[in-house]
Amino acid sequence: NAGVTQTPKFQVLKTGQSMTLQCAQDMNHEYMSWYRQDPGMGLRLIHYSVGAGITDQGEVPNGYNVSRSTTEDFPLRLLSAAPSQTSVYFCASSYSVAGGTDTQYFGPGTRLTVL
Amino acid sequence: AQSVSQHNHHVILSEAASLELGCNYSYGGTVNLFWYVQYPGQHLQLLLKYFSGDPLVKGIKGFEAEFIKSKFSFNLRKPSVQWSDTAEYFCAVKPYNQGGKLIFGQGTELSVKP
Repeated sequence: NAGVTQTPKFQVLKTGQSMTLQCAQDMNHEYMSWYRQDPGMGLRLIHYSVGAGITDQGEVPNGYNVSRSTTEDFPLRLLSAAPSQTSVYFCASSYSVAGGTDTQYFGPGTRLTVL
Repeated sequence: AQSVSQHNHHVILSEAASLELGCNYSYGGTVNLFWYVQYPGQHLQLLLKYFSGDPLVKGIKGFEAEFIKSKFSFNLRKPSVQWSDTAEYFCAVKPYNQGGKLIFGQGTELSVKP
């Protein structure tokens, strides 16, 4: 299994440009999430999905869109990039087991710079 | 609102010193608790997790954590740190049955001097 994969690893955008960060997992996990990591702030949840066709907002959803058409893929779209979106983005996937627990597995991250 | 607080932003220790990193959360219901580690330039890896049973949980690389429900705490410990433990450590909480929704603390950067 490749686990959770993310592309690209690095990206530089100009203010106002749009782009899509790709995330895929091959573990048949039902849950997928997007986080951004900023110094001193830990990871903050942007959007998450509990299954194909179902998404919900996290703590910091503004400026981002998501969709989940398949179990494997969960792309994150930046509609009009702003310097405040300069960050490292992590995708994660997880499963539920009896007892309601799950462990999130993280991808390698995408480092995005918006000029 | 649900939140997680890690008491120390940066900890500096010498090799063989003991480690304890504090983590407190605010949430009134049942939670699952996690500690993740991020080595320089790498992505997050799970150190250990608690979901039920014995409140003292053992993880990888000699780490352990104790869940104290009355204090809403889940502190991470290691008796003797090594230079290779230099990393950033994150405490995270997941409200029970809210899959995909981890709430992270701010992180604690650990530097171990050889």
